[in-house]
Amino acid sequence: GDSVTQTEGLVTLTEGLPVMLNCTYQTIYSNPFLFWYVQHLNESPRLLLKSFTDNKRTEHQGFHATLHKSSSSFHLQKSSAQLSDSALYYCALSGNRIFFGDGTQLVVKP
Amino acid sequence: NSKVIQTPRYLVKGQGQKAKMRCIPEKGHPVVFWYQQNKNNEFKFLINFQNQEVLQQIDMTEKRFSAECPSNSPCSLEIQSSEAGDSALYLCASSLGGSSYEQYFGPGTRLTVL
Repeated sequence: GDSVTQTEGLVTLTEGLPVMLNCTYQTIYSNPFLFWYVQHLNESPRLLLKSFTDNKRTEHQGFHATLHKSSSSFHLQKSSAQLSDSALYYCALSGNRIFFGDGTQLVVKP
Repeated sequence: NSKVIQTPRYLVKGQGQKAKMRCIPEKGHPVVFWYQQNKNNEFKFLINFQNQEVLQQIDMTEKRFSAECPSNSPCSLEIQSSEAGDSALYLCASSLGGSSYEQYFGPGTRLTVL
């Protein structure tokens, strides 16, 4: 069945360093939509990025991700982490419904 | 910003009691989802509706959980007999429908079962 895998439960890094959060997926659909949602403390999740186009970079609020169907990946990246990026990040896949990964907690330290 | 409304924001129940929470989706959104987010931040899909019809639901929902989305009334999720393991944040989300549409989340109802 469809699934999303986020390998890191927790990523801790220093402000200014690059961010990369991993996301791989499994689906029977040839044209899935992939999403990244961000959830700050005591808030509800909100959409950060989405894509369905193979090998096309999608950007928003300094973050970017590229859907690679050949490797079933949609990793989230940012060139320079900010303290305000500390949050929970969920990768999600739309198949016959939306499948969420287990989330990656990003902690950015000064 | 999301305009999904969830009430109550906090709910405290004893084991065996019913727990009911409500959700008003964004205007014009025909699809509503319910999720359970536990203390480990694990996101579990419970059920989704398109207008008043159930699209999908997991086994857990079929047993102690019941949900509905009547026309012209808030959607609701009810736990018939609460258990300690049901303590979690229950998130409602709505969307325009279809696989390409993002979901807009409400603030959630935090249920504590004592």
